[in-house]
Amino acid sequence: GQNIDQPTEMTATEGAIVQINCTYQTSGFNGLFWYQQHAGEAPTFLSYNVLDGLEEKGRFSSFLSRSKGYSYLLLKELQMKDSASYLCAALDSNYQLIWGAGTKLIIKP
Amino acid sequence: GAVVSQHPSWVICKSGTSVKIECRSLDFQATTMFWYRQFPKQSLMLMATSNEGSKATYEQGVEKDKFLINHASLTLSTLTVTSAHPEDSSFYICSASELADYNEQFFGPGTRLTVL
Repeated sequence: GQNIDQPTEMTATEGAIVQINCTYQTSGFNGLFWYQQHAGEAPTFLSYNVLDGLEEKGRFSSFLSRSKGYSYLLLKELQMKDSASYLCAALDSNYQLIWGAGTKLIIKP
Repeated sequence: GAVVSQHPSWVICKSGTSVKIECRSLDFQATTMFWYRQFPKQSLMLMATSNEGSKATYEQGVEKDKFLINHASLTLSTLTVTSAHPEDSSFYICSASELADYNEQFFGPGTRLTVL
């Protein structure tokens, strides 16, 4: 079956760095997305990786290893507004998104 | 660009009534539109996928006769919750994709449905 695993909850300190891991098992693979979702709001796109390696976009970076079925989202210089859920989603061979349950990130001052 | 709107933002209705939620892609043509449901503190649950002009594909466990989806144009999809009951109260979110082979989904702001 198809499956996405990511931690349920993480806590970090304002100004620090946090890495949210995601492992996936899908029927075929056409890329991996990260979305941010604040409570009561719809998800917003953060990143898309289809090739191995690190993609940096400001304070956020996303990494992919296709051979390991693994991705992580790295958030630097954490701000209080980064408190949100972070959703990992893998695109399977039919271009269907398989969603993880999300990681709730709590930022403490 | 890539803006998706949803209407209404929130709705309260009596048990047994039907509620229609609209999802529009405002500045692009959506090849595919998706409907999700999200209960408090839970992740997105895909309900159905629809392509313009064809019948929606429902996920296992989602009643197609209860959740009617119409995707009449490349910019509009509607979800009708028929004979709504309190257990249907949830956050309903639509999303739209422009390209079939790159599935970045642009999400609408969501509709919070409360059934009394």
